[in-house]
Amino acid sequence: DAGVIQSPRHEVTEMGQEVTLRCKPISGHDYLFWYRQTMMRGLELLIYFNNNVPIDDSGMPEDRFSAKMPNASFSTLKIQPSEPRDSAVYFCASSPVTETYGYTFGSGTRLTVV
Amino acid sequence: KNEVEQSPQNLTAQEGEFITINCSYSVGISALHWLQQHPGGGIVSLFMLSSGKKKHGRLIATINIQEKHSSLHITASHPRDSAVYICAAIPTDKLIFGTGTRLQVFP
Repeated sequence: DAGVIQSPRHEVTEMGQEVTLRCKPISGHDYLFWYRQTMMRGLELLIYFNNNVPIDDSGMPEDRFSAKMPNASFSTLKIQPSEPRDSAVYFCASSPVTETYGYTFGSGTRLTVV
Repeated sequence: KNEVEQSPQNLTAQEGEFITINCSYSVGISALHWLQQHPGGGIVSLFMLSSGKKKHGRLIATINIQEKHSSLHITASHPRDSAVYICAAIPTDKLIFGTGTRLQVFP
């Protein structure tokens, strides 16, 4: 298996633009997580899905952020409009059964909003 | 106070030394995850454990559920072990991360 695949690896965009981050989880993994990592706050959960259904989105910063999982093999995290404070590394992770098998992380998307 | 605390925050060692990183948590958990993040940024899963001890190569992870404490040990440390090590508690499905321990191993 190719692991969790994220795209793009790097994204530089201007403030106010829409940004879409993409994730393909490992086939057969029922859980998908979006995390954000910054120097100030470390790793923090944004949202997670179980069987394509959003379970907990309490970590989504505000209405500018939205996430979808239209099917078991694809998820998107969208920021509209983007702001400089959104600059961070965004990780996607998937898991078959979290407390037993753990998580596999994607390589992350480094977002810079200028 | 964070729900997951790690110590030390920074650690330097000479090649060959035995390393211990500690993790304490205050929430009830179903399991605990040790992760490694290299300077390039990728996050790799090292261990997932809910009781006892696990070993993989030179890495050993232990957990004491009653004391809410876990340790990650590295035997015969090597410069390539230099990374940030993160413990993460799993109370339900989602991870609660510690702040990480930055390890540097010098030749």
